[in-house]
Amino acid sequence: AQKITQTQPGMFVQEKEAVTLDCTYDTSDPSYGLFWYKQPSSGEMIFLIYQGSYDQQNATEGRYSLNFQKARKSANLVISASQLGDSAMYFCAMRELSSAGNKLTFGGGTRVLVKP
Amino acid sequence: NAGVTQTPKFRVLKTGQSMTLLCAQDMNHEYMYWYRQDPGMGLRLIHYSVGEGTTAKGEVPDGYNVSRLKKQNFLLGLESAAPSQTSVYFCASRRTGQETQYFGPGTRLLVL
Repeated sequence: AQKITQTQPGMFVQEKEAVTLDCTYDTSDPSYGLFWYKQPSSGEMIFLIYQGSYDQQNATEGRYSLNFQKARKSANLVISASQLGDSAMYFCAMRELSSAGNKLTFGGGTRVLVKP
Repeated sequence: NAGVTQTPKFRVLKTGQSMTLLCAQDMNHEYMYWYRQDPGMGLRLIHYSVGEGTTAKGEVPDGYNVSRLKKQNFLLGLESAAPSQTSVYFCASRRTGQETQYFGPGTRLLVL
């Protein structure tokens, strides 16, 4: 089974509107972390936000927030007030406690295009 | 503070040739990683290192070797390149006790 699933291959969003990117995960580890990375067309991987499995509150970083629903094993990224510069690929990733070296497992990504 | 740098940025190889990709970080991070990204996909771990002098296999290690002789450098080697190794290669590093991995800008490799 896929450990990280991103079901939206691509989506359009109007500038200044909010957008939610879906991410579901599969793990039996009691301790894990969930990450979102942004990859613009220039290719670099930019860290956006992190949520630990034991964190009580949903993580927020500026316009980014993580809607963490542990029982549903989902960790959706919400981008508020979209900007043209938000157009990029977005990857959800997970770190499991049992994974040697704390490696990350990535989903297939969601491409976001912000329309003016 | 340059963060994570990768050399070269782009390379074309012929099948059977060898090459080494260099990753360097100036953040004194203990952990370093090599990932590959194929078109339309997320990253997959090739090899990683938890400290100087140590390396371990990741998810897709076949056809690659690595070395971590110095804490700040992590080398990825292809002994005999194959077209299936055409990909974008990312290096990342992480400090012990912290969650975030910081990525380099990537190396685009084309094997003909």
